[in-house]
Amino acid sequence: GEDVEQSLFLSVREGDSSVINCTYTDSSSTYLYWYKQEPGAGLQLLTYIFSNMDMKQDQRLTVLLNKKDKHLSLRIADTQTGDSAIYFCAESMGGGATNKLIFGTGTLLAVQP
Amino acid sequence: GAVVSQHPSWVICKSGTSVKIECRSLDFQATTMFWYRQFPKQSLMLMATSNEGSKATYEQGVEKDKFLINHASLTLSTLTVTSAHPEDSSFYICSARGRTSGPYNEQFFGPGTRLTVL
Repeated sequence: GEDVEQSLFLSVREGDSSVINCTYTDSSSTYLYWYKQEPGAGLQLLTYIFSNMDMKQDQRLTVLLNKKDKHLSLRIADTQTGDSAIYFCAESMGGGATNKLIFGTGTLLAVQP
Repeated sequence: GAVVSQHPSWVICKSGTSVKIECRSLDFQATTMFWYRQFPKQSLMLMATSNEGSKATYEQGVEKDKFLINHASLTLSTLTVTSAHPEDSSFYICSARGRTSGPYNEQFFGPGTRLTVL
């Protein structure tokens, strides 16, 4: 199947770390992505990880990939109120011109001041 | 760079009318464009993939006669919702991928179009 699952909601206090989890299904996905969606807006690519990597760090963002368990996580350090949004993980399927993204169910991150 | 625009940003129409939504890549050539729909508090569901110069490929369950997609040029794709009904009300988002998308095949997303059918 093509189900990509995420927990629906996460609430944290400003300054704390946030960890958003995702489980995916296609072990052949070459890249996995994290997108951010603010209310009424399109999607912004935050970061991505190549499938042969275990971890990728980009400023406040850390992505961990466990291929064996098909588990992906996004850690946001020092979470700010501006980080409040919906976060989607996505896996790539297919190759070349047929490459497409399958999005997770989305996690609403609420940051309390 | 890599900006994608959509027009209109929102539209309200009567049941039975057709609505056209435009998706433009402003500063790059989009060899592939994607159309998604998103229901409130739900994920994005891919509707179709459109490669320039060829017919769109629709996902299973998406009616190609209802959702007409035209990839007119390397910078423009249109989605026409024909004979719209209230159940077609949704947030429609396009994305584009070009030759500059890099090895990780980045898609650049438009801001979305909110369609409300009365």
